[in-house]
Amino acid sequence: DTGVSQDPRHKITKRGQNVTFRCDPISEHNRLYWYRQTLGQGPEFLTYFQNEAQLEKSRLLSDRFSAERPKGSFSTLEIQRTEQGDSAMYLCASSSDRLTYNSPLHFGNGTRLTVT
Amino acid sequence: KQEVTQIPAALSVPEGENLVLNCSFTDSAIYNLQWFRQDPGKGLTSLLLIQSSQREQTSGRLNASLDKSSGRSTLYIAASQPGDSATYLCAAPRGAGGTSYGKLTFGQGTILTVHP
Repeated sequence: DTGVSQDPRHKITKRGQNVTFRCDPISEHNRLYWYRQTLGQGPEFLTYFQNEAQLEKSRLLSDRFSAERPKGSFSTLEIQRTEQGDSAMYLCASSSDRLTYNSPLHFGNGTRLTVT
Repeated sequence: KQEVTQIPAALSVPEGENLVLNCSFTDSAIYNLQWFRQDPGKGLTSLLLIQSSQREQTSGRLNASLDKSSGRSTLYIAASQPGDSATYLCAAPRGAGGTSYGKLTFGQGTILTVHP
């Protein structure tokens, strides 16, 4: 169990640019989640994958956001035409369905995005 | 819609004190509730997950209780240490049923400082 890995740790970009983040979940976990956290707030749910299927997207996820998990392993989150309001910590989490509803979520260390 | 509130927002205590962090949630139809720890600039570490059938869960100096009927959970930290300084977040599923699994609503957190 090497934990959830996210890359990069920090990303600074100019408004209007596209950015892509990567998440590698714990290897045996089939569920993967993306959350966003702004300063002083708790994380907010963005989207969720079961294996390679994206099963839900929050209303927070505008059309400029897209997430993929092509082979049911790692996932990418892309933000197109970034805006200053996108500045936040983007957190990835994974879990197993072995304990059905009671498997805890394991979070990565996040990607800190700053849009200038 | 699930709403989670944490009190107090911040807490500063001398080393060795026992302390209680409070969490309340509005939708009591939940399978479980999780407590997390977050160090500055880092991701979340799962501390305890209390299943709806349990009243409390213990790990070392940490004890978490869950009262679904009143919509409350508490995290008790015994004999606090400077290394316990962090933000503590509680999170409840966004609704009942399997579709809520892993989609958590977080409180804003309690910032704990334990000074020597």
